[in-house]
Amino acid sequence: QKEVEQNSGPLSVPEGAIASLNCTYSDRGSQSFFWYRQYSGKSPELIMFIYSNGDKEDGRFTAQLNKASQYVSLLIRDSQPSDSATYLCAGYMDTGRRALTFGSGTRLQVQP
Amino acid sequence: ETGVTQTPRHLVMGMTNKKSLKCEQHLGHNAMYWYKQSAKKPLELMFVYNFKEQTENNSVPSRFSPECPNSSHLFLHLHTLQPEDSALYLCASSQGSGGNNSPLHFGNGTRLTVT
Repeated sequence: QKEVEQNSGPLSVPEGAIASLNCTYSDRGSQSFFWYRQYSGKSPELIMFIYSNGDKEDGRFTAQLNKASQYVSLLIRDSQPSDSATYLCAGYMDTGRRALTFGSGTRLQVQP
Repeated sequence: ETGVTQTPRHLVMGMTNKKSLKCEQHLGHNAMYWYKQSAKKPLELMFVYNFKEQTENNSVPSRFSPECPNSSHLFLHLHTLQPEDSALYLCASSQGSGGNNSPLHFGNGTRLTVT
């Protein structure tokens, strides 16, 4: 089983809609999770992090964490064509590894 | 300079060449990382350094040799690579090394092509 799993997409949404990106993880002991955005040919850029169960909002972005279900999500409100990118979910797994474990990413396409 | 800087941005090398990738962070962080990103695959952790000491080697072949002279600089020495080593190599840094909830900050990466 992959440690951090994401649907590769593409997820296509119209401009102005809410984009919902999902991620599941295998390690019940994992504590902290991060969402990165990666444009084609560029490096990952941190956009959100969440440590506690519930929701965390930052502008148009809301991260949601449900530790009981081992599920993390990212909602993007009022999606813009500039949001079109690959979104990477990452977490510190409770395996002793001293670095983030990444999912394979979900490609988001926002249609004008 | 700010953030994490990687050089070169692009590198083409033959299988018998020796080259080095360089990474420098200006964030005052004490942990540095090398990740490999191949097409259609998740980022793969290669090495972790914390206060210039290697704390993780993720079963990386010996043709990749890291060096961390201090907390701000990280190198990846390459020799006798294979075509399947062609990928984007990403350097990152963080305040602390794993387990303390610190995000990673990435450099722009080196696009490596092995011919």
